[in-house]
Amino acid sequence: QKEVEQNSGPLSVPEGAIASLNCTYSDRGSQSFFWYRQYSGKSPELIMSIYSNGDKEDGRFTAQLNKASQYVSLLIRDSQPSDSATYLCAVNDLSGSARQLTFGSGTQLTVLP
Amino acid sequence: DTEVTQTPKHLVMGMTNKKSLKCEQHMGHRAMYWYKQKAKKPPELMFVYSYEKLSINESVPSRFSPECPNSSLLNLHLHALQPEDSALYLCASSQESVGGYTGELFFGEGSRLTVL
Repeated sequence: QKEVEQNSGPLSVPEGAIASLNCTYSDRGSQSFFWYRQYSGKSPELIMSIYSNGDKEDGRFTAQLNKASQYVSLLIRDSQPSDSATYLCAVNDLSGSARQLTFGSGTQLTVLP
Repeated sequence: DTEVTQTPKHLVMGMTNKKSLKCEQHMGHRAMYWYKQKAKKPPELMFVYSYEKLSINESVPSRFSPECPNSSLLNLHLHALQPEDSALYLCASSQESVGGYTGELFFGEGSRLTVL
């Protein structure tokens, strides 16, 4: 059974710091990787997708993928209190089947003013 | 503004009631999904529609009945639910790629269901 693991947290960082969120996955056939942000009581929102090894930057967010280590991370630079949310890592395999999109249990991030 | 709209936002129903959740998207996506999410858990896939046809049913009990009237609308009909069915029900849509579904889902705001 495929597994996607995240530290549940809570992870607390001071405002302006870099928040680092980590995710490991068990299936070496995984090909596409996603980070969703979910505010308390709200629905998930896609913030980053990454498909190739290396870094992908979008504003204050950087996704990092290392397929050899089966590891994907999300860095949030200059963290703001508005970044406080649960971050879900999701992984899909080459089949592209919706059934194969596996979510991690999420990491709760708190950015302290 | 979300481009996937769900109604109602909150629903309280008894175990003998029949109700429906509705979802509408205007992004031209041909894949639409129902997910169920319990507190502090990740979303769990229930159903997937592709080009208005049911393509995935994750062994969901028959008290949940999905319907896709057209490419923009998705319904979830509820009947004889149990208290443990209380959860946030999320509708999502996505494009379909050459290789199949993408994992880039656009979620609606969800319908929070309480079964008494």
